[in-house]
Amino acid sequence: AQRVTQPEKLLSVFKGAPVELKCNYSYSGSPELFWYVQYSRQRLQLLLRHISRESIKGFTADLNKGETSFHLKKPFAQEEDSAMYYCALRADKLIFGTGTRLQVFP
Amino acid sequence: EAGVTQFPSHSVIEKGQTVTLRCDPISGHDNLYWYRRVMGKEIKFLLHFVKESKQDESGMPNNRFLAERTGGTYSTLKVQPAELEDSGVYFCASTPQGATGTQYFGPGTRLLVL
Repeated sequence: AQRVTQPEKLLSVFKGAPVELKCNYSYSGSPELFWYVQYSRQRLQLLLRHISRESIKGFTADLNKGETSFHLKKPFAQEEDSAMYYCALRADKLIFGTGTRLQVFP
Repeated sequence: EAGVTQFPSHSVIEKGQTVTLRCDPISGHDNLYWYRRVMGKEIKFLLHFVKESKQDESGMPNNRFLAERTGGTYSTLKVQPAELEDSGVYFCASTPQGATGTQYFGPGTRLLVL
């Protein structure tokens, strides 16, 4: 079955601390994975995709096929990173995880 | 360039009533998707249009939901009759090419069925 799991509903850190938002997936084929973010009062938007292998706003995510994971990381969290983060898998349509709310305290 | 728009932003209705949600994709985007997020759960796919044709409607919960995209432009999603479990946020997204392009999301319609 195709599934995306985000085990943490809420992650709270202080500004400057490292952040890792966990994402595991289940997919029989070759996965295409994304991280979407929704800031307060804004629409859902793409943060990054694994095929781009890029860093956006200091965030990176590496696809680990052995562990079927696509964790999102940032070495030093900022207050403006506070948002809902969704991991998603594409199989024609997008399959989302339940999301993790990141709170960064000053 | 205008983004994906959705109307209304909020809707509160009573169980048994009918509600119609509208999505205007980005101009020129052939692919249009509907998703729904029920409180505390994941964002779930409902259906996918390519122009005016339903490419995949495997996520539609039941026959109380009817989606249309006449003329391949805007789309409507009608819920009739609405039930309590239909409450949630309904998102629309569009992509310009194939099914591989980045999906651009609308702001969502928050539906509350009382």
